[in-house]
Amino acid sequence: KNEVEQSPQNLTAQEGEFITINCSYSVGISALHWLQQHPGGGIVSLFMLSSGKKKHGRLIATINIQEKHSSLHITASHPRDSAVYICAPMDSNYQLIWGAGTKLIIKP
Amino acid sequence: KAGVTQTPRYLIKTRGQQVTLSCSPISGHRSVSWYQQTPGQGLQFLFEYFSETQRNKGNFPGRFSGRQFSNSRSEMNVSTLELGDSALYLCASSEGQRRFYREGYNEQFFGPGTRLTVL
Repeated sequence: KNEVEQSPQNLTAQEGEFITINCSYSVGISALHWLQQHPGGGIVSLFMLSSGKKKHGRLIATINIQEKHSSLHITASHPRDSAVYICAPMDSNYQLIWGAGTKLIIKP
Repeated sequence: KAGVTQTPRYLIKTRGQQVTLSCSPISGHRSVSWYQQTPGQGLQFLFEYFSETQRNKGNFPGRFSGRQFSNSRSEMNVSTLELGDSALYLCASSEGQRRFYREGYNEQFFGPGTRLTVL
């Protein structure tokens, strides 16, 4: 079993829809990274959080340490949000454990 | 602040050759981590440098090595290239090394990557 499970693996939605990407992990962690990777390869750090909720523009990330679960939400989705979203928990050795990513396509 | 820069952006080499990739972190960041990304394996951690010392190492053969300079710039070297080394190599910088968690201290900022093709 993978230490990090992201769902869904692929998601196609219409512009304007509310998007949720889930991340479950099996190891104890100190914090969790959400990152975005565009087709060109560049990776952008979206959030790093250790508890509760963080919001940046149309993006919201939540984490429940006890349930070992985090979610990334996108409100009013736009075609430019199309990318791969990666969840990467930081384990007790402070190493990032990479999820396989969720490929999101937003159609106009 | 300028972001993380990597050079070169694209590289084509042949089997058996060696290659050196360079990463300049965000000004003030002292930790640099290197990752290999391939379609089949996803992102895999290579190593982390902090204050010119390798702090962590992933599960890669000794052909992969790196170093960090006093200005925090880092280089990664791959010797005796194999076809399977074809990948996107990403470096990421953070303010501090990942020995403990502190808000903002460990967050990693990625460079655009170097795409290496081995023929």
